Amino acid sequence: DIQMTQSPASLSASLGETISIECLASEGISSYLAWYQQKPGKSPQLLIYGANSLQAGVPSRFSGSGSGTQYSLKISSMQPEDEGDYFCQQSYKFPRTFGGGTKLELK
Amino acid sequence: QVQLKESGPGLVQPSETLSLTCTVSGFSLTSYGVNWVRQPPGKGLEWMGTIWNDGSTDYNSALKSRLSISRDTSKSQVFLKMNSLQTEDTAIYLCAREMNWELGFDYWGQGVMVTVSS
Repeated sequence: DIQMTQSPASLSASLGETISIECLASEGISSYLAWYQQKPGKSPQLLIYGANSLQAGVPSRFSGSGSGTQYSLKISSMQPEDEGDYFCQQSYKFPRTFGGGTKLELK
Repeated sequence: QVQLKESGPGLVQPSETLSLTCTVSGFSLTSYGVNWVRQPPGKGLEWMGTIWNDGSTDYNSALKSRLSISRDTSKSQVFLKMNSLQTEDTAIYLCAREMNWELGFDYWGQGVMVTVSS
């Protein structure tokens, strides 16, 4: 199975700050990488697919990048509504696997 | 609009079989795949399996011996059955739509909490 190692596990950011979350795959996944946001008590919401494509309706302050085994999610200008858990997920090989998650809080 | 809604028992006895239904609206099961994903309380996400638009399935090898996913396109429903449940199967079970490998899981249900306990 492809292991997805996500870092950091938790992050505290100030209003307007730019933050990055990293995801490292145990082997190359050819940009078959998605990012999700999950708020408490809610189901995940797709933010980014194909490593760098913004899902419709997602604010443009979210962006994704990377290739091979290394990927990142960037939030430029942290907003209060960005608090939550973030997960990466690979769909290059079965079984699909998720990163362990990053908890993002507003400082 | 696109909606997915999971339903099923909230409590299952150990060693029993779990049966869940994902009822979808706003799209056709013959055009999209549906995934089952679970999340133990306070923990991360685990992909369980997919039923594709053509009715074929893919399963997580860790669960494959216990898991079955099927559908009824006329009722817009996808079914999950998993046998030999143990306490570690306690989780929120979610269904999520997918068009293809490249586009991610774009719509999710609200999830159903399943507790395995005697």
